[in-house]
Amino acid sequence: DIQMTQSPSSLSASVGDRVTITCRASQGISNSLAWFQQKPGKAPKSLIYAASSLQTGVPSRFSGSRSGTDFTLTISSLQPEDFATYYCQQYDSYPLTFGGGTKVEIK
Amino acid sequence: QITLKESGPTLVKPTQTLTLTCTFSGFSLSTNGVGVGWIRQPPGKALEWLALIYWDDDKRYRSSLKSRLTITKDTSKNQVVLTMTNMDPVDTATYYCAHSAYASGSYRIIDYWGQGTLVTVSS
Repeated sequence: DIQMTQSPSSLSASVGDRVTITCRASQGISNSLAWFQQKPGKAPKSLIYAASSLQTGVPSRFSGSRSGTDFTLTISSLQPEDFATYYCQQYDSYPLTFGGGTKVEIK
Repeated sequence: QITLKESGPTLVKPTQTLTLTCTFSGFSLSTNGVGVGWIRQPPGKALEWLALIYWDDDKRYRSSLKSRLTITKDTSKNQVVLTMTNMDPVDTATYYCAHSAYASGSYRIIDYWGQGTLVTVSS
């Protein structure tokens, strides 16, 4: 199975901050990487697929990038509604696997 | 718009079989490229993919659980059913169903999620 390692596991940030979350795949997955946002008690919401393509309706302050097997989710200017847990997921091969999550908290 | 909703028991006993139903609207599971999958999340833990069924009845399972899982579809009812046998307390989790679509060369893009249903395994 492909292991997805996210870092950090949590971070504290202020509204307006630029936030970066990293996800590393244990082997090459091409661009087959998605990002999800989950708020407490809610279902995950799809943000990004193919490493950098925004799902419909996702604000442009969210962006994704890839460097080899390292993937990054960036929030350019953190908004109050962005405080949540973020998960990466590879879909290059089965089983589809998720990272451990990054909790973004208010500083 | 696409919506999905999970239904099933909230409490099952150890060794029992869990049957969950995902009822969806806004798409057809007979359309080329479409799939419906199941993902679970134990309390306070990360997401874990379980199974996926495609429009052409291709089925994929998490290998570590394959012997316990069965996924089926009823296109006429717009439903996907997941059964998991021999339930154990470690299977306590919120179970989500999700829509997958074709994009950027892959049939495995999860884009819409159900609200989830919490299943507790306890005697």
